[in-house]
Amino acid sequence: KAGVTQTPRYLIKTRGQQVTLSCSPISGHRSVSWYQQTPGQGLQFLFEYFSETQRNKGNFPGRFSGRQFSNSRSEMNVSTLELGDSALYLCASSLTNLFTGELFFGEGSRLTVL
Amino acid sequence: GENVEQHPSTLSVQEGDSAVIKCTYSDSASNYFPWYKQELGKRPQLIIDIRSNVGEKKDQRIAVTLNKTAKHFSLHITETQPEDSAVYFCAASTPGNQFYFGTGTSLTVIP
Repeated sequence: KAGVTQTPRYLIKTRGQQVTLSCSPISGHRSVSWYQQTPGQGLQFLFEYFSETQRNKGNFPGRFSGRQFSNSRSEMNVSTLELGDSALYLCASSLTNLFTGELFFGEGSRLTVL
Repeated sequence: GENVEQHPSTLSVQEGDSAVIKCTYSDSASNYFPWYKQELGKRPQLIIDIRSNVGEKKDQRIAVTLNKTAKHFSLHITETQPEDSAVYFCAASTPGNQFYFGTGTSLTVIP
């Protein structure tokens, strides 16, 4: 079975631009969640989608948004980029949206904002 | 919401020694506690988890203990090896709610 795939792996943007990141979950997994990883802050939850619906959202500003398609692939978008948005963005898929089982992470998209 | 604190942030041990990482949580409704290992430049991977109806779980050299009364859980790695060097994250969740992760512990095993 193919693992979780994230694209692009690396990207550099400037302040004020926007970015779209993509995540393809493991086949059969309907839940996709997104996390921001920064040094010293660990993994911070952005949002979770299940069957094309956002079920949970973390404490991030409205500049961070996402969506999920009918094939469970998900995208997240960050608008009006700020320097502090530089981070590794990880997506994870799981069989259910109950947060009681294993998360399968992708390798992440490393965003640098200049 | 839930708050998960993880200590220490860095840990160095000699090969063959034991390593212990501790996490505390605030929400008594949390009932699932996984541990993830992230090697340098790689994705986090689940290494062990425990549910609130169990006090301890072992898998070869790795064990996790849970104290619901004190709201803390710990990861124990015995007979450490260089390949155990990584960042370890604890997490807590309640059904249908999000995962709350600790800030990570960077473990270095010195050969």
